Amino acid sequence: DAGVIQSPRHEVTEMGQEVTLRCKPISGHDYLFWYRQTMMRGLELLIYFNNNVPIDDSGMPEDRFSAKMPNASFSTLKIQPSEPRDSAVYFCASRTSGTKNEQFFGPGTRLTVL
Amino acid sequence: AQTVTQSQPEMSVQEAETVTLSCTYDTSESDYYLFWYKQPPSRQMILVIRQEAYKQQNATENRFSVNFQKAAKSFSLKISDSQLGDAAMYFCAYTQGWASGSRLTFGEGTQLTVNP
Repeated sequence: DAGVIQSPRHEVTEMGQEVTLRCKPISGHDYLFWYRQTMMRGLELLIYFNNNVPIDDSGMPEDRFSAKMPNASFSTLKIQPSEPRDSAVYFCASRTSGTKNEQFFGPGTRLTVL
Repeated sequence: AQTVTQSQPEMSVQEAETVTLSCTYDTSESDYYLFWYKQPPSRQMILVIRQEAYKQQNATENRFSVNFQKAAKSFSLKISDSQLGDAAMYFCAYTQGWASGSRLTFGEGTQLTVNP
């Protein structure tokens, strides 16, 4: 079975440009999470969805960040305009409802904003 | 708010030896889950082992085992017969059990080096 798929794997852009990160969760998973990993702040949750509905976006740093999940198999995280401090690795993870509470992570997107 | 602390930024072990990585957490909840994730240089987050708070028995997965001390809020990972492929960053993580979609709260990570 395919795991969580993220694209692109690497993104280099200039300050002020719009950046869109994409995620395809594991089929049948009804929860989707976006995390960001930086040296300064470690791994932190940005937002998560349940059945395509955003449940908790308290980790989204500011209005420049937005996330959507138009259907069960696709989500985007958009940064507009991007800034150098947004440089990080962005992970998407998914899981099913149930007792195991295990989240499965994608390979991540390394974003560099110049 | 829940917090997870890993007090060892770096650890090293000789191949075939045993190493223990420490993790403490703080929570007022009684129902929760704890995890150890491995992140090799490829940066892929790989689940190593899971522990349910309501289970008294320590979880084991092949060469990996945990020492879960609920009263002390301690959750250490023991790697036996260390292999070169075990070299990675290891993250301890916590999630509440009452809400299925609850976020994972991660520790700062421990960089493990395995010496041949």
